[in-house]
Amino acid sequence: DVKVTQSSRYLVKRTGEKVFLECVQDMDHENMFWYRQDPGLGLRLIYFSYDVKMKEKGDIPEGYSVSREKKERFSLILESASTNQTSMYLCASRFAGGNYGYTFGSGTRLTVV
Amino acid sequence: DQQVKQNSPSLSVQEGRISILNCDYTNSMFDYFLWYKKYPAEGPTFLISISSIKDKNEDGRFTVFLNKSAKHLSLHIVPSQPGDSAVYFCAARRTGANNLFFGTGTRLTVIP
Repeated sequence: DVKVTQSSRYLVKRTGEKVFLECVQDMDHENMFWYRQDPGLGLRLIYFSYDVKMKEKGDIPEGYSVSREKKERFSLILESASTNQTSMYLCASRFAGGNYGYTFGSGTRLTVV
Repeated sequence: DQQVKQNSPSLSVQEGRISILNCDYTNSMFDYFLWYKKYPAEGPTFLISISSIKDKNEDGRFTVFLNKSAKHLSLHIVPSQPGDSAVYFCAARRTGANNLFFGTGTRLTVIP
């Protein structure tokens, strides 16, 4: 059964902390994505990666960075967490090209206090 | 700038009846459209898709219709079941791109 695994389901962090959200996929997908989901705003793209060591900014990259050192792992980093980064974070992956949809992880609910 | 719009935040339907979820888009470069379903505390799961060269795609109880001239697509669920209660996201992909643009979602409640 193919999977996208996010390391934490729930996370509570303090303002100013550096936060790492990890995502691992076992499908040998080239593309990986980080979205956040907020009520009334849908899913908004933070960063994505075409392949290892490649990254592109999405629609809302401010306050975030990413790392893709290995094909199966895509990390989202909140450099200095703020309360407005409280959200559901969703990782997804897909094969490059073609009409392939995403496979999503179960999400990480991050609360910044 | 929301390029994919779902103007109905919520929809309630009786079990056994038809559910129709709507989605509008603004970018004429979108060539592939998908619907995802999301339960609370879970990631979205793929439901059905349609290429811009088609106007209809059917998969069991789920049918997606695409009206390119109106830049509108809809998802029909017939008959609706209580297990269909979830948030449904419409998504679109631009030609040659790898990322998807998502709508804001519609929460469907199917009443037994």
